[in-house]
Amino acid sequence: AQSVAQPEDQVNVAEGNPLTVKCTYSVSGNPYLFWYVQYPNRGLQFLLKYITGDNLVKGSYGFEAEFNKSQTSFHLKKPSALVSDSALYFCAVRERNTDKLIFGTGTRLQVFP
Amino acid sequence: DADVTQTPRNRITKTGKRIMLECSQTKGHDRMYWYRQDPGLGLRLIYYSFDVKDINKGEISDGYSVSRQAQAKFSLSLESAIPNQTALYFCATSDRNRADTQYFGPGTRLTVL
Repeated sequence: AQSVAQPEDQVNVAEGNPLTVKCTYSVSGNPYLFWYVQYPNRGLQFLLKYITGDNLVKGSYGFEAEFNKSQTSFHLKKPSALVSDSALYFCAVRERNTDKLIFGTGTRLQVFP
Repeated sequence: DADVTQTPRNRITKTGKRIMLECSQTKGHDRMYWYRQDPGLGLRLIYYSFDVKDINKGEISDGYSVSRQAQAKFSLSLESAIPNQTALYFCATSDRNRADTQYFGPGTRLTVL
Protein backbone atom coordinates (compact mmCIF):
# COMPACT_ATOMS: atom_id res chain seq x y z
CA ALA A 1 0.00 0.00 0.00
CA GLN A 2 1.18 3.48 -0.76
CA SER A 3 1.69 5.92 2.07
CA VAL A 4 3.37 9.12 3.12
CA ALA A 5 4.76 10.08 6.49
CA GLN A 6 5.30 13.51 7.97
CA PRO A 7 7.46 12.91 11.04
CA GLU A 8 7.01 16.35 12.58
CA ASP A 9 3.71 17.57 13.99
CA GLN A 10 5.04 21.11 14.19
CA VAL A 11 7.98 23.06 12.84
CA ASN A 12 8.98 26.40 14.34
CA VAL A 13 11.23 28.83 12.49
CA ALA A 14 12.15 32.48 12.78
CA GLU A 15 11.16 34.84 10.00
CA GLY A 16 13.92 35.16 7.44
CA ASN A 17 15.42 31.77 8.21
CA PRO A 18 15.23 28.82 5.84
CA LEU A 19 12.54 26.27 6.51
CA THR A 20 12.18 22.56 5.81
CA VAL A 21 9.05 20.44 6.24
CA LYS A 22 9.81 16.75 5.95
CA CYS A 23 7.97 14.04 4.03
CA THR A 24 8.89 10.45 3.28
CA TYR A 25 6.94 8.10 1.07
CA SER A 26 6.37 4.44 0.40
CA VAL A 27 5.14 3.52 -3.07
CA SER A 28 5.53 0.84 -5.67
CA GLY A 29 6.91 2.16 -8.90
CA ASN A 30 7.56 5.80 -9.64
CA PRO A 31 5.76 8.15 -7.28
CA TYR A 32 3.57 11.12 -7.99
CA LEU A 33 4.11 13.43 -5.00
CA PHE A 34 2.40 16.63 -3.91
CA TRP A 35 2.42 19.36 -1.31
CA TYR A 36 -0.73 21.17 -0.24
CA VAL A 37 -1.12 24.03 2.25
CA GLN A 38 -4.09 24.81 4.48
CA TYR A 39 -4.48 28.29 5.91
CA PRO A 40 -6.81 28.80 8.89
CA ASN A 41 -10.48 28.32 8.02
CA ARG A 42 -9.65 27.52 4.42
CA GLY A 43 -9.56 24.46 2.21
CA LEU A 44 -6.33 22.94 0.96
CA GLN A 45 -4.42 24.72 -1.76
CA PHE A 46 -2.07 23.03 -4.21
CA LEU A 47 1.57 24.12 -3.79
CA LEU A 48 3.63 21.89 -6.06
CA LYS A 49 4.04 18.42 -7.47
CA TYR A 50 6.67 15.97 -8.64
CA ILE A 51 5.78 13.72 -11.54
CA THR A 52 9.05 13.17 -13.36
CA GLY A 53 12.14 15.05 -14.45
CA ASP A 54 14.15 17.52 -12.38
CA ASN A 55 14.42 16.48 -8.74
CA LEU A 56 13.99 20.08 -7.56
CA VAL A 57 10.44 21.24 -8.06
CA LYS A 58 9.43 24.87 -7.71
CA GLY A 59 5.95 25.86 -6.62
CA SER A 60 3.78 28.68 -5.38
CA TYR A 61 4.78 31.36 -2.84
CA GLY A 62 8.51 30.69 -3.22
CA PHE A 63 8.32 27.10 -2.03
CA GLU A 64 10.28 24.25 -3.55
CA ALA A 65 10.63 20.57 -2.86
CA GLU A 66 13.42 18.12 -3.49
CA PHE A 67 12.67 14.59 -4.63
CA ASN A 68 15.23 12.11 -3.34
CA LYS A 69 14.67 8.61 -4.63
CA SER A 70 17.38 6.91 -2.59
CA GLN A 71 16.02 8.36 0.65
CA THR A 72 12.37 8.14 -0.48
CA SER A 73 11.86 11.71 0.61
CA PHE A 74 10.14 14.79 -0.75
CA HIS A 75 10.95 17.61 1.67
CA LEU A 76 9.38 21.04 1.28
CA LYS A 77 11.74 23.99 1.53
CA LYS A 78 11.85 27.74 1.39
CA PRO A 79 15.03 29.85 1.61
CA SER A 80 13.51 32.63 3.72
CA ALA A 81 10.38 32.09 5.81
CA LEU A 82 7.61 34.65 6.19
CA VAL A 83 5.16 34.98 9.07
CA SER A 84 2.41 34.56 6.47
CA ASP A 85 3.76 31.07 5.67
CA SER A 86 2.37 29.88 9.00
CA ALA A 87 -0.14 27.18 8.10
CA LEU A 88 -0.74 23.44 8.01
CA TYR A 89 1.18 21.60 5.29
CA PHE A 90 0.24 18.25 3.82
CA CYS A 91 2.33 15.90 1.73
CA ALA A 92 0.42 13.49 -0.53
CA VAL A 93 1.03 10.64 -2.95
CA ARG A 94 -1.24 9.66 -5.81
CA GLU A 95 -2.30 6.10 -6.37
CA ARG A 96 -1.54 5.21 -9.96
CA ASN A 97 -4.57 3.08 -10.75
CA THR A 98 -7.25 5.12 -9.01
CA ASP A 99 -5.88 8.68 -9.05
CA LYS A 100 -6.73 8.94 -5.37
CA LEU A 101 -4.57 11.14 -3.21
CA ILE A 102 -3.25 9.70 0.03
CA PHE A 103 -2.36 12.40 2.51
CA GLY A 104 0.12 12.54 5.33
CA THR A 105 -0.99 13.65 8.78
CA GLY A 106 0.12 17.23 8.26
CA THR A 107 2.81 19.47 9.75
CA ARG A 108 1.99 22.77 11.34
CA LEU A 109 4.51 25.44 10.39
CA GLN A 110 4.83 28.35 12.78
CA VAL A 111 6.99 31.28 11.66
CA PHE A 112 7.83 33.73 14.45
CA PRO A 113 8.59 37.41 13.79
CA ASP B 1 -11.00 28.04 -4.08
CA ALA B 2 -14.22 29.97 -4.84
CA ASP B 3 -15.02 27.64 -7.73
CA VAL B 4 -15.78 24.87 -5.24
CA THR B 5 -18.44 25.72 -2.69
CA GLN B 6 -19.75 23.77 0.26
CA THR B 7 -22.94 24.20 2.26
CA PRO B 8 -23.40 24.52 5.12
CA ARG B 9 -20.08 25.84 6.43
CA ASN B 10 -20.90 24.91 9.98
CA ARG B 11 -23.46 22.51 11.39
CA ILE B 12 -24.28 21.26 14.84
CA THR B 13 -26.60 18.30 15.08
CA LYS B 14 -27.63 15.55 17.44
CA THR B 15 -26.90 11.85 17.44
CA GLY B 16 -29.24 9.92 15.18
CA LYS B 17 -30.13 12.81 12.89
CA ARG B 18 -29.76 12.61 9.12
CA ILE B 19 -27.41 15.21 7.71
CA MET B 20 -26.58 16.18 4.14
CA LEU B 21 -23.53 18.16 3.13
CA GLU B 22 -23.53 19.64 -0.32
CA CYS B 23 -20.76 20.48 -2.74
CA SER B 24 -21.02 22.42 -5.98
CA GLN B 25 -18.32 23.31 -8.49
CA THR B 26 -18.11 25.59 -11.48
CA LYS B 27 -14.75 24.30 -12.70
CA GLY B 28 -16.29 21.87 -15.15
CA HIS B 29 -14.38 18.99 -13.60
CA ASP B 30 -15.67 15.47 -13.93
CA ARG B 31 -14.09 14.04 -10.77
CA MET B 32 -15.25 14.87 -7.26
CA TYR B 33 -14.17 13.69 -3.83
CA TRP B 34 -15.25 13.84 -0.20
CA TYR B 35 -12.66 13.84 2.59
CA ARG B 36 -12.80 14.23 6.32
CA GLN B 37 -10.08 15.87 8.35
CA ASP B 38 -9.36 14.96 11.95
CA PRO B 39 -6.53 16.40 14.07
CA GLY B 40 -3.45 14.22 13.83
CA LEU B 41 -4.96 12.02 11.13
CA GLY B 42 -4.73 14.25 8.10
CA LEU B 43 -7.32 13.87 5.36
CA ARG B 44 -9.01 10.57 4.69
CA LEU B 45 -11.05 9.78 1.60
CA ILE B 46 -14.71 8.91 2.18
CA TYR B 47 -16.08 8.60 -1.37
CA TYR B 48 -15.06 9.62 -4.83
CA SER B 49 -16.81 9.92 -8.17
CA PHE B 50 -15.15 9.95 -11.58
CA ASP B 51 -18.41 10.63 -13.37
CA VAL B 52 -22.11 10.98 -12.64
CA LYS B 53 -22.57 7.21 -12.88
CA ASP B 54 -19.25 6.20 -11.36
CA ILE B 55 -19.14 6.35 -7.56
CA ASN B 56 -16.59 4.56 -5.43
CA LYS B 57 -15.94 4.00 -1.75
CA GLY B 58 -12.85 5.44 -0.15
CA GLU B 59 -11.04 4.20 2.91
CA ILE B 60 -13.67 5.28 5.48
CA SER B 61 -17.08 5.01 3.77
CA ASP B 62 -18.96 3.23 6.58
CA GLY B 63 -21.76 5.42 7.95
CA TYR B 64 -21.75 7.67 4.87
CA SER B 65 -23.49 7.73 1.51
CA VAL B 66 -23.18 10.01 -1.49
CA SER B 67 -25.17 11.21 -4.44
CA ARG B 68 -23.84 12.70 -7.66
CA GLN B 69 -26.87 14.60 -8.87
CA ALA B 70 -25.07 16.23 -11.76
CA GLN B 71 -21.53 16.73 -12.91
CA ALA B 72 -21.34 19.87 -10.79
CA LYS B 73 -22.92 18.53 -7.60
CA PHE B 74 -21.80 15.87 -5.15
CA SER B 75 -23.61 15.42 -1.83
CA LEU B 76 -22.48 13.55 1.26
CA SER B 77 -25.06 12.13 3.67
CA LEU B 78 -24.81 10.83 7.18
CA GLU B 79 -27.89 8.66 7.56
CA SER B 80 -27.72 8.54 11.34
CA ALA B 81 -25.04 10.82 12.72
CA ILE B 82 -22.86 9.72 15.61
CA PRO B 83 -20.40 11.77 17.71
CA ASN B 84 -17.27 10.27 16.15
CA GLN B 85 -18.36 11.75 12.84
CA THR B 86 -17.57 15.17 14.28
CA ALA B 87 -14.92 16.48 11.90
CA LEU B 88 -14.07 18.92 9.16
CA TYR B 89 -15.36 17.74 5.79
CA PHE B 90 -13.87 18.78 2.48
CA CYS B 91 -15.07 18.39 -1.05
CA ALA B 92 -12.53 18.41 -3.88
CA THR B 93 -12.58 18.25 -7.66
CA SER B 94 -10.15 17.35 -10.41
CA ASP B 95 -10.06 17.17 -14.18
CA ARG B 96 -9.55 13.71 -15.66
CA ASN B 97 -6.83 15.11 -17.93
CA ARG B 98 -5.04 16.63 -14.93
CA ALA B 99 -6.11 14.27 -12.22
CA ASP B 100 -3.03 14.95 -10.18
CA THR B 101 -4.19 18.37 -8.99
CA GLN B 102 -7.24 18.53 -6.78
CA TYR B 103 -9.09 21.73 -5.92
CA PHE B 104 -10.68 21.95 -2.50
CA GLY B 105 -13.75 23.66 -1.13
CA PRO B 106 -13.62 25.71 2.08
CA GLY B 107 -14.85 22.87 4.25
CA THR B 108 -17.83 22.12 6.47
CA ARG B 109 -17.33 21.87 10.20
CA LEU B 110 -19.75 19.27 11.53
CA THR B 111 -20.37 18.70 15.23
CA VAL B 112 -22.48 15.75 16.36
CA LEU B 113 -23.62 16.00 19.96
